[in-house]
Amino acid sequence: QSALTQPASVSGSPGQSITISCTGTSSDIGGYNYVSWYQQHPGKAPKLMIYDVSQRPSGVSDRFSGSKSGNTASLTISGLQAEDEAEYFCCSYTSSSPVVFGGGTKLTVL
Amino acid sequence: QVQLVESGGGVVQPGRSLRLSCAASGFTFNTYAMHWVRQAPGKGLEWVAVISYDGINKYYADSVRGRFTISRDNSKNTLYLQMNSLRAEDTAVYYCAKSFSGNYLPYLDYWGQGNLVTVSS
Repeated sequence: QSALTQPASVSGSPGQSITISCTGTSSDIGGYNYVSWYQQHPGKAPKLMIYDVSQRPSGVSDRFSGSKSGNTASLTISGLQAEDEAEYFCCSYTSSSPVVFGGGTKLTVL
Repeated sequence: QVQLVESGGGVVQPGRSLRLSCAASGFTFNTYAMHWVRQAPGKGLEWVAVISYDGINKYYADSVRGRFTISRDNSKNTLYLQMNSLRAEDTAVYYCAKSFSGNYLPYLDYWGQGNLVTVSS
């Protein structure tokens, strides 16, 4: 149950777009279209932002979008806003476990 | 509205046991799978366990299999995590989380506030 690989940090200025990658293997991201993304502000519980690779739950801004290519999933945030500053975790179903998380990426809005 | 309220955390010595509870409300508890996820201080999220809507099927992370047991009481709308043989590396905030659906897909749409478990002598 190895964690998915995410960059430790990314940054962007307000109004810009950023993309966070999440790399796995053919046993998880590459093998299934069951990828989700979570946003976590300090001291708060995580919030589901994307499921089924690219679907947004009700209430999540359309500035958040997800995609997948091969063994890598990506989360793109467009029109960056100050409140987007948080940690983001990818998550996938795997052949050996229902759930595995990525290590997390801290987004800084400059 | 959906509410998940965890309880039962605290400080415990290595090798001892602790049981966490998660009281659910605002949704039909007995139709959704439920998860436990933990987060060590300053670290990322680690999935711990999931239980099917009817309590029959359970899956665990390798790190806790054989030591932790997930269970539920649908008559009380409550999820549990029995933690035995606790180790220092089990120190974390433990979250209960509701599955987006009745299956085991990694979509957790509601989370509790978190409950800190500290394993220390």
